[in-house]
Amino acid sequence: GIQVEQSPPDLILQEGANSTLRCNFSDSVNNLQWFHQNPWGQLINLFYIPSGTKQNGRLSATTVATERYSLLYISSSQTTDSGVYFCAVYNNAGNMLTFGGGTRLMVKP
Amino acid sequence: DTGVSQNPRHKITKRGQNVTFRCDPISEHNRLYWYRQTLGQGPEFLTYFQNEAQLEKSRLLSDRFSAERPKGSFSTLEIQRTEQGDSAMYLCASSFSGGLGFFGPGTRLTVL
Repeated sequence: GIQVEQSPPDLILQEGANSTLRCNFSDSVNNLQWFHQNPWGQLINLFYIPSGTKQNGRLSATTVATERYSLLYISSSQTTDSGVYFCAVYNNAGNMLTFGGGTRLMVKP
Repeated sequence: DTGVSQNPRHKITKRGQNVTFRCDPISEHNRLYWYRQTLGQGPEFLTYFQNEAQLEKSRLLSDRFSAERPKGSFSTLEIQRTEQGDSAMYLCASSFSGGLGFFGPGTRLTVL
């Protein structure tokens, strides 16, 4: 099956800093989502991004499907950005998400 | 649109007991998925339904697990003869075919 790897596994930032999270995947995929999992376990959709770049406030994402990676940028980080960020890819049939191991982000005040 | 809901949110049970979880998807979504997430890991796919048909099952879904989606609306996931290794967060998601998946808040199972 598809393998999804995320880096770094853990990240500690000072409030206001910028960061880049990376997601590599092993095969061609139908689509890709980035999620933020809050401390209560809820997975919140951030981006649905098969290719190209999207921006939403302080967050942006870029997927280069031909090179099998995606990047999530967080600018001017805030303590509320803390949590786990997951990248997940859809198989070619579009009916199954495979998640990476996540990046655990802690933003300190 | 009230989002995906799951009940109960927490369940504590003794080893060997049966448990059942419920998921109510976003109305009109024809696909419904179950995932399991253990501590420190990403969610892992268990199974999915297109309307009422169960179309895909992971090898993680042992014969103690059964999922149903009668009438293509809500779904239930039952675990029989629970084991301590079943302790996890069970997540449900729904989507239109090929569309963005939305996740529920999960049911956290603890098997003592």
